[in-house]
Amino acid sequence: GQSLEQPSEVTAVEGAIVQINCTYQTSGFYGLSWYQQHDGGAPTFLSYNALDGLEETGRFSSFLSRSDSYGYLLLQELQMKDSASYFCAVSPFPVTGTALIFGKGTTLSVSS
Amino acid sequence: ETGVTQTPRHLVMGMTNKKSLKCEQHLGHNAMYWYKQSAKKPLELMFVYSLEERVENNSVPSRFSPECPNSSHLFLHLHTLQPEDSALYLCASSQDPGPRDTGELFFGEGSRLTVL
Repeated sequence: GQSLEQPSEVTAVEGAIVQINCTYQTSGFYGLSWYQQHDGGAPTFLSYNALDGLEETGRFSSFLSRSDSYGYLLLQELQMKDSASYFCAVSPFPVTGTALIFGKGTTLSVSS
Repeated sequence: ETGVTQTPRHLVMGMTNKKSLKCEQHLGHNAMYWYKQSAKKPLELMFVYSLEERVENNSVPSRFSPECPNSSHLFLHLHTLQPEDSALYLCASSQDPGPRDTGELFFGEGSRLTVL
């Protein structure tokens, strides 16, 4: 089966850097995605790693290492508005499924 | 309108009621999805439609019945639900199923369902 593990909660202060890890067990996948969801809102797409390495989008970066079955989301220069839940997800091979499989999410709390 | 729109945003129903959730996407996408989000649980995939054809039914009880009349609209018909079905139901769309090339789903705001 497929499973993705994330820490349930992370706390940090404004201006800091935080890394949210995602470890997975999967038989094969196309890539690893990250989503942000504020309370009461829709999940929104942040980044996608199809290949190993680092992808940078503004203050957010995402990393994938298939050999280590591991990825992370790096948030820099944290702001209060970054307080939200963050989900990693994999796009499985068709033999396993046809839609993203999500982790349980990490709640990030940013304080001043 | 743009994006993915879901109605109603909130729904309270009894266990014997029949209701429907509606989703509409204005993005020209070919794939649409229903996910269930409960507290402390990952988003659970319920159904996947590609070009109006159901391609995945993720062991969902028959009291949930999806319908995709065209590539822009998706419904979730509800009947004889249980209190444990109370959750946020999220509709999403993507250009192609997976999505494999971009990993990007476009979600609606969700329908918050409470079953009494």
